[in-house]
Amino acid sequence: EPEVTQTPSHQVTQMGQEVILRCVPISNHLYFYWYRQILGQKVEFLVSFYNNEISEKSEIFDDQFSVERPDGSNFTLKIRSTKLEDSAMYFCASSERVGGHGNQPQHFGDGTRLSIL
Amino acid sequence: GENVEQHPSTLSVQEGDSAVIKCTYSDSASNYFPWYKQELGKRPQLIIDIRSNVGEKKDQRIAVTLNKTAKHFSLHITETQPEDSAVYFCAAIVNDMRFGAGTRLTVKP
Repeated sequence: EPEVTQTPSHQVTQMGQEVILRCVPISNHLYFYWYRQILGQKVEFLVSFYNNEISEKSEIFDDQFSVERPDGSNFTLKIRSTKLEDSAMYFCASSERVGGHGNQPQHFGDGTRLSIL
Repeated sequence: GENVEQHPSTLSVQEGDSAVIKCTYSDSASNYFPWYKQELGKRPQLIIDIRSNVGEKKDQRIAVTLNKTAKHFSLHITETQPEDSAVYFCAAIVNDMRFGAGTRLTVKP
């Protein structure tokens, strides 16, 4: 069964540095997402991406964050000038095109655990 | 934006009993309601979903019901097994997916 893959599995970074989290969505999926989960808390929506542009973003997704699809397979989340509170698990997800049947299931990767020191 | 409330936060049942988790949502435009199971340190895994044009859906021991008028939906797990122990999240989608706070289900053997 095809899977969403994320790298690295764990990223440790000094506060103030920039990090790039990488995701390879399922190959025939056209919608891509990033979510954040602080330890022991719920999964929080960050951003959705379709047709090379942001579709929706939450109040969390401020100017510190950006997303990019640099080639035909990768989808990245960049966090600039990281803060201690950015420490969390970051999940990438993808889904098939939204069609006449409404939203399609989102499939999650294993996540990247980001630790800011 | 959409606000999803989930209850209870923790649930402990004996093996073989049923478990029910309830969620409410605020935006009447929400049209898709997935449920995810998350084991410790792992990805959320979709276990069942329901669309707004359906009132109930069942898949073996798992069922979901939706009441659009009341804006609530529920997950029902029958004949629970220890491997059902996990955190369960409900979610609702209008334009983006908003999760409930999660229910930690413990099934005691």
